[in-house]
Amino acid sequence: QKEVEQNSGPLSVPEGAIASLNCTYSDRVSQSFFWYRQYSGKSPELIMSIYSNGDKEDGRFTAQLNKASQYVSLLIRDSQPSDSATYLCAVNSLSGNSGYALNFGKGTSLLVTP
Amino acid sequence: DGGITQSPKYLFRKEGQNVTLSCEQNLNHDAMYWYRQDPGQGLRLIYYSQIVNDFQKGDIAEGYSVSREKKESFPLTVTSAQKNPTAFYLCASSTLDSSNEKLFFGSGTQLSVL
Repeated sequence: QKEVEQNSGPLSVPEGAIASLNCTYSDRVSQSFFWYRQYSGKSPELIMSIYSNGDKEDGRFTAQLNKASQYVSLLIRDSQPSDSATYLCAVNSLSGNSGYALNFGKGTSLLVTP
Repeated sequence: DGGITQSPKYLFRKEGQNVTLSCEQNLNHDAMYWYRQDPGQGLRLIYYSQIVNDFQKGDIAEGYSVSREKKESFPLTVTSAQKNPTAFYLCASSTLDSSNEKLFFGSGTQLSVL
């Protein structure tokens, strides 16, 4: 059974600090990795995608991927109260009888305190 | 505006009743998905479809049915066999380009049992 594991939190960081969110996955053949942000009662929105080992930066966000360790992380620099949300890690995995679909972790709740 | 439209936003089901959740997209995406989200949980895949008139079971398909008669539409029926249907249901779509598998989500339907 493919799995995507995240610490549910809540992770509390002060405003302006770096928030570090972690995710591990079990399907070794996964090639695509995504971070989604979800506010309460809303649908997820994509904030980062990463496909190759190493770091990928986009504004205040940095995604890090290590396929050998089956580990993907998200760093949020200069955290703002508006970053308070649940962050979902998603991994492309074989699903059902054929084909691939995104498999989601349970999410990490982030709270940025003023 | 291009996007995914889910309706209704809120839906109530009586005991023994089948209900259908609507999902329409005008993004010209080949793939469409249905996910279920329970409070404090991640997204679990119910069904997905990569081509018209074909669909695949996800991880929790029991008690649900779908159809894909048109590329734009992927309705989900929650049958009376689904004994615990209360959840937030999310429809999503994507291209089949392996280098660009980002999911675009609808705004969700909250289903509750009367």
